[in-house]
Amino acid sequence: NAGVMQNPRHLVRRRGQEARLRCSPMKGHSHVYWYRQLPEEGLKFMVYLQKENIIDESGMPKERFSAEFPKEGPSILRIQQVVRGDSAAYFCASSPPEGGTQYFGPGTRLLVL
Amino acid sequence: AQSVTQPDIHITVSEGASLELRCNYSYGATPYLFWYVQSPGQGLQLLLKYFSGDTLVQGIKGFEAEFKRSQSSFNLRKPSVHWSDAAEYFCAVGALQAAGNKLTFGGGTRVLVKP
Repeated sequence: NAGVMQNPRHLVRRRGQEARLRCSPMKGHSHVYWYRQLPEEGLKFMVYLQKENIIDESGMPKERFSAEFPKEGPSILRIQQVVRGDSAAYFCASSPPEGGTQYFGPGTRLLVL
Repeated sequence: AQSVTQPDIHITVSEGASLELRCNYSYGATPYLFWYVQSPGQGLQLLLKYFSGDTLVQGIKGFEAEFKRSQSSFNLRKPSVHWSDAAEYFCAVGALQAAGNKLTFGGGTRVLVKP
């Protein structure tokens, strides 16, 4: 059973470009969470999604950030017009339908030049 | 609002010595507690979790943690550290068995292992 998959593992963008981060949950998991880890800090919750629904986006910045989890395909975290402060590791986690333990992917490390 | 405090930012321990990492939480309901480990440049691996029942929880890699409700703590321990235990350790709290239980993480403790 493959774990949570994230790609790309590393992403370099220039200021003003768009970043798209993808997450495929574990098989059988229908809940996806995105977390951000700034340098030398712990993880901070961003958004929680189920298929075709955003359930809780209380941790998402109000502008430039969006997330989706379509009926088919991976969950996408999209950052428009990136700034240097967006440089961080972005982790996706998934859990089964009944909730419970979250399993994390390897992360995408975004560097904004 | 829920919060997690890991008071020790760095800990250095000799190989073969015991290790204890502290975690204190603040949560209004029954907590759902986790310890994760992160090696450099890697994702988070679940070490152990506490839902209910026995307050001493066994995890992988020889780790254990004890839930103490009266102290709002969930400290992680290992009797004898191996060099491969050098990593960053995160304590996290979430809602008990609730779907959509977003986790709140502590700031992490970085463990260095001396030969």
